[in-house]
Amino acid sequence: GESVGLHLPTLSVQEGDNSIINCAYSNSASDYFIWYKQESGKGPQFIIDIRSNMDKRQGQRVTVLLNKTVKHLSLQIAATQPGDSAVYFCAEWGTGNQFYFGTGTSLTVIP
Amino acid sequence: GAGVSQSPSNKVTEKGKDVELRCDPISGHTALYWYRQSLGQGLEFLIYFQGNSAPDKSGLPSDRFSAERTGGSVSTLTIQRTQQEDSAVYLCASSYRAGTEAFFGQGTRLTVV
Repeated sequence: GESVGLHLPTLSVQEGDNSIINCAYSNSASDYFIWYKQESGKGPQFIIDIRSNMDKRQGQRVTVLLNKTVKHLSLQIAATQPGDSAVYFCAEWGTGNQFYFGTGTSLTVIP
Repeated sequence: GAGVSQSPSNKVTEKGKDVELRCDPISGHTALYWYRQSLGQGLEFLIYFQGNSAPDKSGLPSDRFSAERTGGSVSTLTIQRTQQEDSAVYLCASSYRAGTEAFFGQGTRLTVV
């Protein structure tokens, strides 16, 4: 079956530093990916997405990179702030009628 | 409101009782998804609706789970004869169409005692 995995379950960064959260996926036919942020007690919040015809997409303080050759996705957060502390999920739109989610990376920002 | 709305936000029920969870998607969104999230875990797919097509029920864990979507808008997830292992946060999401930006509601936290 399809799987979406994350390299690190937890990540701690100093406030002001850049954060990089990684994600591996297994279905080379997947053509759409989303990064979500989930704070405690809340639903996942859409951050940024990318389609497979792109390698990079930038938003406000966030950048998503897609490497289709090695089936790897990353989320870069610039100048990380305490409000960025949350669990981050990558989601893959694969061949089924669903988004496949990994187990998430917990980001802690140290003031 | 402009976002996905779910109700109730919390539900405590006794084992063996039936529960209904409601989802109001974003207006105009044809695709609707239900997911389940257990404590500290990722999201488990349950069911997917697209327009008036037959739903994809492949993620429903047992025949105690069912869902419907009336008029292509509001959806209800029903769990019959609830068990303790059903305790989780049930999340609903909608998107304009399949494979586009999906936005989640705040979820319903279900506790079966």
